[in-house]
Amino acid sequence: EAGVAQSPRYKIIEKRQSVAFWCNPISGHATLYWYQQILGQGPKLLIQFQNNGVVDDSQLPKDRFSAERLKGVDSTLKIQPAKLEDSAVYLCASSLVMTSGRAQQFFGPGTRLTVL
Amino acid sequence: TQLLEQSPQFLSIQEGENLTVYCNSSSVFSSLQWYRQEPGEGPVLLVTVVTGGEVKKLKRLTFQFGDARKDSSLHITAAQPGDTGLYLCAGEAGAGSYQLTFGKGTKLSVIP
Repeated sequence: EAGVAQSPRYKIIEKRQSVAFWCNPISGHATLYWYQQILGQGPKLLIQFQNNGVVDDSQLPKDRFSAERLKGVDSTLKIQPAKLEDSAVYLCASSLVMTSGRAQQFFGPGTRLTVL
Repeated sequence: TQLLEQSPQFLSIQEGENLTVYCNSSSVFSSLQWYRQEPGEGPVLLVTVVTGGEVKKLKRLTFQFGDARKDSSLHITAAQPGDTGLYLCAGEAGAGSYQLTFGKGTKLSVIP
């Protein structure tokens, strides 16, 4: 079974530029998450989708970050304009609800963003 | 805001030694998960503990959930170089929320 795919794997941009990340979740997984992981810290949830609807985007800096999941499958996360503090690994995860009623999240390899 | 404190932040040990990593919070979680993350990869789930006092074993790894479901520990027996990585604990606030709050992680290095 293919895992969560993300691209690009690495991106270097200058501050004030824009950047977009792409995520393809595991087939059949209705829930998709974007996390930001700053060096030395654990992942922080930015946004959670259920199919193509937003469940929670309370920690997404909406003045510069946006995300969409138009057809309920692939998702893109955009930053415009980027700031130095946006340098981080951006992780995408998808989950499936198990018979236990709990959901297991599967993570992609992440996109490492460096803002100069 | 629910916070998870992990300790120690860094751990460097010799092959064959034992170690324990702690994950503490003032909040109650419906479940707690442990992940391992290697450089350039996403976290991979090791175990989920749900019941207060629960103990789960995964080969040389033993996971325990506190009776009050606020804390957890990970114990590794006879550490191997292959155990090297970042260990993250993550708590699920409410059953059915499917949202996780992560700790900052413990970076483990096992020296051959």
